Amino acid sequence: EVQLVESGGGLVQPGRSLRLSCAASGFTFDDYAMHWVRQAPGKGLEWVSGISWNSGSIGYADSVKGRFTISRDNAKNSLYLQMNSLRAEDTALYYCAKDWNDILTGYPDYWGQGTLVTVSS
Amino acid sequence: AIQLTQSPSSLSASVGDRVTITCRASQGISSALAWYQQKPGKAPKLLIYDASSLESGVPSRFSGSGSGTDFTLTISSLQPEDFATYYCQQFNNYPEELTFGGGTKVEIK
Repeated sequence: EVQLVESGGGLVQPGRSLRLSCAASGFTFDDYAMHWVRQAPGKGLEWVSGISWNSGSIGYADSVKGRFTISRDNAKNSLYLQMNSLRAEDTALYYCAKDWNDILTGYPDYWGQGTLVTVSS
Repeated sequence: AIQLTQSPSSLSASVGDRVTITCRASQGISSALAWYQQKPGKAPKLLIYDASSLESGVPSRFSGSGSGTDFTLTISSLQPEDFATYYCQQFNNYPEELTFGGGTKVEIK
């Protein structure tokens, strides 16, 4: 059974940093691309970033480019999101999602339950 | 970046109704489109990929159609468990990015 468990969310002040983690199990992690997708309270889904199976291709939404960094450790079956210079508008539930193939561009087919990030002073 | 516009943003329907949701892309995307269902407090669930392929385990009352810029998700006979918010999603190869539509909330009439 595919499992994705996010952690690292919490309350943080504007301008500070936070690192999210996603622990994956139930599938061969290094066969698939991975994504971070967020959802602000009461709002729709927004793709944040994605990474191919071997980290060779990485993409970011314009709203986070230059502030967020995605990475993965295939030996640890883990995905990460380093979030710097956080803003109030980054407040959201952050989902880790597995893609259905190994390249960055595809369809997220399994999702975690999310970790909540709140940016407020 | 390609934009996805869903309509309507919300609708009210009764159990047994046929429901149709539309997703329009700002430029042609061939058949590279997926549909997701999200229930309150839950993660999204993939229903349809490549515009019309049904994900394993998804009831056959769900169907997708379209190509190019205009796509449709149809629920042939709405069931109580189908009341949820539905999102379309596409991907770009250059630049590499994913985009979601704004969502359509299906409510009980």
